[in-house]
Amino acid sequence: GAGVSQSPSNKVTEKGKDVELRCDPISGHTALYWYRQRLGQGLEFLIYFQGNSAPDKSGLPSDRFSAERTGESVSTLTIQRTQQEDSAVYLCASSFMQGANYGYTFGSGTRLTVV
Amino acid sequence: GEDVEQSLFLSVREGDSSVINCTYTDSSSTYLYWYKQEPGAGLQLLTYIFSNMDMKQDQRLTVLLNKKDKHLSLRIADTQTGDSAIYFCAERQVGYSTLTFGKGTMLLVSP
Repeated sequence: GAGVSQSPSNKVTEKGKDVELRCDPISGHTALYWYRQRLGQGLEFLIYFQGNSAPDKSGLPSDRFSAERTGESVSTLTIQRTQQEDSAVYLCASSFMQGANYGYTFGSGTRLTVV
Repeated sequence: GEDVEQSLFLSVREGDSSVINCTYTDSSSTYLYWYKQEPGAGLQLLTYIFSNMDMKQDQRLTVLLNKKDKHLSLRIADTQTGDSAIYFCAERQVGYSTLTFGKGTMLLVSP
């Protein structure tokens, strides 16, 4: 597609439920990133996928968080047993890894509210 | 670990210049980026600078890099109300793909 697409754009869930967030990167972008943006905070790195390499999961805050990506296509971020502190905007970005500079292209994010 | 710091808020009048500042700690940073986030939207890449440069200009935007002081600034000339947004500074280290972001500076432009 023309840009990074994320769905849903908004999600309200009850505490304790599982949620799944989806990211569809730009075609041909080999790298995909998930970040979390809490209200009034900067972007917090969660996880990074590069091609078929093992993902960098160093930013995942707890074992309730997991993410998958098949090849260079869609990624899903799953949060199990959601807590109120999980409320945030979850941003996905993709980049084309060749070339001297590879800034990210971000999606519009999924705003998650845990009530 | 790396750290990126920004002032949180800047208010200017339409037509004035805006200068948004950023400091970073990691001297091995190679690329430094400025992103813009409008309400309800994702982050949009505005410009970037390579660490062997000290200045880059792109239309109304001027990026200045003082590598000795690890200080980066973004100057917006003739600021417009449409420039009101949150501006994020980010850095990337040699050999790494992930970016480290500051907390963002909210720019408010009044008519």
